[in-house]
Amino acid sequence: DTGVSQDPRHKITKRGQNVTFRCDPISEHNRLYWYRQTLGQGPEFLTYFQNEAQLEKSRLLSDRFSAERPKGSFSTLEIQRTEQGDSAMYLCASNRGSGETQYFGPGTRLLVL
Amino acid sequence: GEDVEQSLFLSVREGDSSVINCTYTDSSSTYLYWYKQEPGAGLQLLTYIFSNMDMKQDQRLTVLLNKKDKHLSLRIADTQTGDSAIYFCAEKDERNFGNEKLTFGTGTRLTIIP
Repeated sequence: DTGVSQDPRHKITKRGQNVTFRCDPISEHNRLYWYRQTLGQGPEFLTYFQNEAQLEKSRLLSDRFSAERPKGSFSTLEIQRTEQGDSAMYLCASNRGSGETQYFGPGTRLLVL
Repeated sequence: GEDVEQSLFLSVREGDSSVINCTYTDSSSTYLYWYKQEPGAGLQLLTYIFSNMDMKQDQRLTVLLNKKDKHLSLRIADTQTGDSAIYFCAEKDERNFGNEKLTFGTGTRLTIIP
């Protein structure tokens, strides 16, 4: 068990570009979560998946954001037409199911110039 | 909506006990968590407590829950330099099926004074 992994760890992009992040959950974990953490704040929930189904989305997830988990294993989070306000740490977590502890990955730090 | 509050900073001398406090507004919180975040890293789960418990102890960590006051604390005994980090309190309300999100506080930065 290698834990939750995320790729890339750091991303610098110019405003208006599209970026995609990947999360690999702990194997046999059915649920996968995305959070965003801005500087000096705690993480804020974005969305989560039960297997390949996206079950809940936060109002923070504007239409420029899309998340997928096509085969119920890894997930991708894409941000289109990035804005400077998208600069943050994007954290992924996973667990076996309802009531189980969420285990977090190291995060992808995004900087939009 | 749910709100979780923490003081931003705490400084403690090495070897002393650290007490990090958290207050929350959602009286239906079923699980309350403490996570640790070191610089540039993700969140590491330290411990959690179910809402029907008052206290939980795990080695150097003691969690106290006062449901009446909606107050949660984390005590770290014999604080070491490796305990320097940001500590996040988080809550989850499982009354509503599908409500799986964690609501986090702003974090308390713990600094250890040699």
